[in-house]
Formats: sequence, C-alpha cells, structure tokens
Amino acid sequence: AQSVTQLDSHVSVSEGTPVLLRCNYSSSYSPSLFWYVQHPNKGLQLLLKYTSAATLVKGINGFEAEFKKSETSFHLTKPSAHMSDAAEYFCVVSPFSGGYNKLIFGAGTRLAVHP
Amino acid sequence: GAVVSQHPSRVICKSGTSVKIECRSLDFQATTMFWYRQFPKQSLMLMATSNEGSKATYEQGVEKDKFLINHASLTLSTLTVTSAHPEDSSFYICSAQHPNTEAFFGQGTRLTVV
Repeated sequence: AQSVTQLDSHVSVSEGTPVLLRCNYSSSYSPSLFWYVQHPNKGLQLLLKYTSAATLVKGINGFEAEFKKSETSFHLTKPSAHMSDAAEYFCVVSPFSGGYNKLIFGAGTRLAVHP
Repeated sequence: GAVVSQHPSRVICKSGTSVKIECRSLDFQATTMFWYRQFPKQSLMLMATSNEGSKATYEQGVEKDKFLINHASLTLSTLTVTSAHPEDSSFYICSAQHPNTEAFFGQGTRLTVV
C-alpha cells in the first residue's frame, strides 16, 4: 500500500530564512512524488515532481526537493522564504513511476512566513 | 502547463436542490479526471475516478447516487451533487490527466448548502 506522511502540520519561518517541509512516503513500487502548493480557496499548483530521474529536483519559485530512497523521504526546501510562500503544501505520491494514476495526498503542511 | 477550468468557483444552493460542477480541460484531451473533496484545513480526499465513455469508479464510502459523475467527452467531466444537504458543503476540486502526463487541477468550487 502507498501512503504519505507530512511530519509537520504547521511550519512558521521568518522572511528570508530557509524553509524545510518534511515528507516521508511508503510505496511498494518505484513511485512518482510531487509537491503541490495551494493558496486559500484556490486549486493546486505543481511545484515539482520526481519520476525516477535525478534525485534532486528543482521546481518553481526557488523550491527544490531531494528523493532519498534509503530514508523514504522527499523533503521540500527553499533557501530563503518570501511572504508570498505562505500557503498550504501537499506532498503527493503516485504509485507507479512514469505513469500518472491515482494520487495519494499527505495531510498538508501550512507554511506561515513572518516579516 | 495545461489548463483545467472548473466552474462555478462558488455556489450557494438551498437544501434539497441539486448542483452541477463542471471540469474542463482546455488545451488537451483528458482520458481520466478525478474529483476530490476538501474539508476546511484538511487534505484532499479522492471521491471518484472518471474515465471518458465509461462509468466512474467511486472510492469507498462515497455515495454514487448522491455524487453523479459524467465524463461524456475527452474535455468535460461533471459532478452533480443531488439533493444537497448542509453536510455536503465543502470545497470540490477536479483534476484532469492524459496517460503519462501529470495531473492538472481546476481552481476548485466552494459549495455552500443552506
């Protein structure tokens, strides 16, 4: 069975400081992994995706994530937070690498950015 | 990226009435669309998988007679909430995908049943 655990429900950082949003996954197969961002009352925007290519994935808005198979982790990072980064972030797993099927969502992490 | 348009973005309806939500893929053919429900401050819960030209596959616990899904073309899927009640109030989001492409999400529909 596949599952996703986002280790922090809330993360609060100061503007200009690094961001770390943690995600662990469980999958019987080589999964595809995604990070999506959701601003209030909006749909989801893809930040980045891992599909069995390079383990360090760069996304939009300065975000990146590293796939670590030994740790079954896919943590999202950004060197310097901006006020506009405040949103809900979802780590998502799709069971089959290279195929995009049913998505399994983590519970979400709400990122707050303070001046 | 591809564009998925969801309409309406907000709807308020009276208890007992039905509401239809549309999900359109504007610039690609989506053989598969997904419908999610999101409660306040919670994650997305998959309700059903909609395949063009065939019956939708519902997740466990989702009433198929209450949440009617139609995927009549490669660019349009609809979700109809029948005989809506206040507990159906929620944020509904669709996503569309073609095989071997990522999923693209609509903007979501905020349904309020009064």
